[in-house]
Amino acid sequence: DTGVSQNPRHKITKRGQNVTFRCDPISEHNRLYWYRQTLGQGPEFLTYFQNEAQLEKSRLLSDRFSAERPKGSFSTLEIQRTEQGDSAMYLCASSFSAGVLEKLFFGSGTQLSVL
Amino acid sequence: GENVEQHPSTLSVQEGDSAVIKCTYSDSASNYFPWYKQELGKGPQLIIDIRSNVGEKKDQRIAVTLNKTAKHFSLHITETQPEDSAVYFCAASSSGNEKLTFGTGTRLTIIP
Repeated sequence: DTGVSQNPRHKITKRGQNVTFRCDPISEHNRLYWYRQTLGQGPEFLTYFQNEAQLEKSRLLSDRFSAERPKGSFSTLEIQRTEQGDSAMYLCASSFSAGVLEKLFFGSGTQLSVL
Repeated sequence: GENVEQHPSTLSVQEGDSAVIKCTYSDSASNYFPWYKQELGKGPQLIIDIRSNVGEKKDQRIAVTLNKTAKHFSLHITETQPEDSAVYFCAASSSGNEKLTFGTGTRLTIIP
């Protein structure tokens, strides 16, 4: 196991199209997070899962965004009717936590460009 | 909610010199403070973290200090090397708040 894996690495789409990203966390990690990072900024929290349960969603996550983590393993993040403002790096992170926040390990991200 | 400020936004140091990056946080309940290094085209990599029950932690050339009273924490890199060039982010989190709030980053350039 080499860490958190994200696919695709890059995605270019036209405004109005739907896109889906995949994240495979470190295998023994029970928590999975999605963050968004724009140029020159730090990552911003979007949502997180503990096992298969989605426990928190940010206000940044509009109703065009949906995330799933079936069976508590990999996760998908879908953006419907993409807008140019959705262009960003989408980062996935995972951790093994039993109560308190533990070390988050990030993947290399999916760079989304909406034309 | 938590707000994390980070300074400076850019920092250039001669190879072999030390670099210091500072962050302040607003939520007195925050108790976990990691630092991440991000290279171009890659995700953030955890380099060191500290919890509020200690004031300092060191790992080889990297150290982090925490002042809970003043609500600030700092990253110290000694004997800098060209491979230290990257963007560094501080972050903060509190118990019961299961997410990290990041600073805006510091672009560190090591001059050979």
